[in-house]
Amino acid sequence: DGGITQSPKYLFRKEGQNVTLSCEQNLNHDAMYWYRQDPGQGLRLIYYSQIVNDFQKGDIAEGYSVSREKKESFPLTVTSAQKNPTAFYLCASRRTISNQPQHFGDGTRLSIL
Amino acid sequence: GDSVTQMEGPVTLSEEAFLTINCTYTATGYPSLFWYVQYPGEGLQLLLKATKADDKGSNKGFEATYRKETTSFHLEKGSVQVSDSAVYFCALSDLESGGSYIPTFGRGTSLIVHP
Repeated sequence: DGGITQSPKYLFRKEGQNVTLSCEQNLNHDAMYWYRQDPGQGLRLIYYSQIVNDFQKGDIAEGYSVSREKKESFPLTVTSAQKNPTAFYLCASRRTISNQPQHFGDGTRLSIL
Repeated sequence: GDSVTQMEGPVTLSEEAFLTINCTYTATGYPSLFWYVQYPGEGLQLLLKATKADDKGSNKGFEATYRKETTSFHLEKGSVQVSDSAVYFCALSDLESGGSYIPTFGRGTSLIVHP
């Protein structure tokens, strides 16, 4: 079955470390997204990509970086510049033809040691 | 910019009760509207959608009607079950000036159903 795979499910970061969250999709979707979810705040857009080798900042991009070297993959790096990284991170993808819904992965929960 | 406003939760109901979760939106264009559901520790799943005025989306006993005149997309279910306990997100997707569809989400409404 096609879908989105996020790994790892749980991740721990020490102070000053960069960590990378993986997101892979086999749905042949062009667009991919990263969201941060905090309790009571809904979803906030970090970065999105409409096509390979191109991506745009979302509402809360500071302290994060992404790459889109392959259509299937959209990894997110949480850098040491992100001072409050503890959150649930969700990756999503969608077809760019008309106004299609997003498909989501099961998320990665990042915590600070 | 676009925005989505949902009623605050948690919404607590007994099994077989009627459910309404209110959702209103503001948008500059002519968006599509969605309801997603999130179970604990999981990602969001599409529950239903509507793409134009007066469309009714339905799935698993849930329904929502795209009301352009009141800019609303309220979620309803006639008889909830314990297994419906989850967080429900209302969302819209509109064409941005740059030619991309950027979804906008509400804050989510937690539903707790007691036996």
